Amino acid sequence: EVKLVESGGGLVQPGRSLKLSCAASGFSFNDYWMGWVRQAPGKGLEWIGEINQDSSTINYTPSLKDKFTISRDNAQNTLYLQMSKLGSEDTAIYYCAVSYDWFAYWGQGTLVTVSS
Amino acid sequence: DIQMTQSPASLSASLGETVTIECRASEDIYNGLAWYQQKPGKSPQLLIYNANSLHTGVPSRFSGSGSGTQYSLKINSLQSEDVASYFCQQYYNYDTFGAGTKLELK
Repeated sequence: EVKLVESGGGLVQPGRSLKLSCAASGFSFNDYWMGWVRQAPGKGLEWIGEINQDSSTINYTPSLKDKFTISRDNAQNTLYLQMSKLGSEDTAIYYCAVSYDWFAYWGQGTLVTVSS
Repeated sequence: DIQMTQSPASLSASLGETVTIECRASEDIYNGLAWYQQKPGKSPQLLIYNANSLHTGVPSRFSGSGSGTQYSLKINSLQSEDVASYFCQQYYNYDTFGAGTKLELK
């Protein structure tokens, strides 16, 4: 069974940084692209970006490219999202997902709240 | 950037009814389109990929169609468990989601 578990969310002050993790199990992690998607409270889904199997290709939505960094550790079956210069607009649930182009499997999400 | 216009924003339908949700892309996305269902407090679940391919385990009352810039999700014989929000996603050129459709029971 594919399982994705996000962690690292919480309350963070504006301007600070935060790093999210996504622990993967139940599939061959190093064979798949992985992605991050977020959802602000009561809003729709926003694609953040994706990373290929060996981290040689990483794509971001243009508006977040300078703030967010996606990485992965295949030895640890873990995906990461490093977020910097956080603002209130970054308050959202952050999901990791297995990417086949479409997102076949999703984690339960981790909530990030940016507030002073 | 490819923009996705999803309609309607909300929809009220009766049990057993057929429901259609549409997504229009700002340019041809060559069937690079997926549909997701999201129930309150839950993560999205894949329904359809490549515009018309049913994901494993998804009931056959869900179907997708379309081409070019126009795509639709149809739910036949609406069930109570179909009450949810639905999102389209284009992945032809990076990824963009539609704004969503909230489906309620009448």
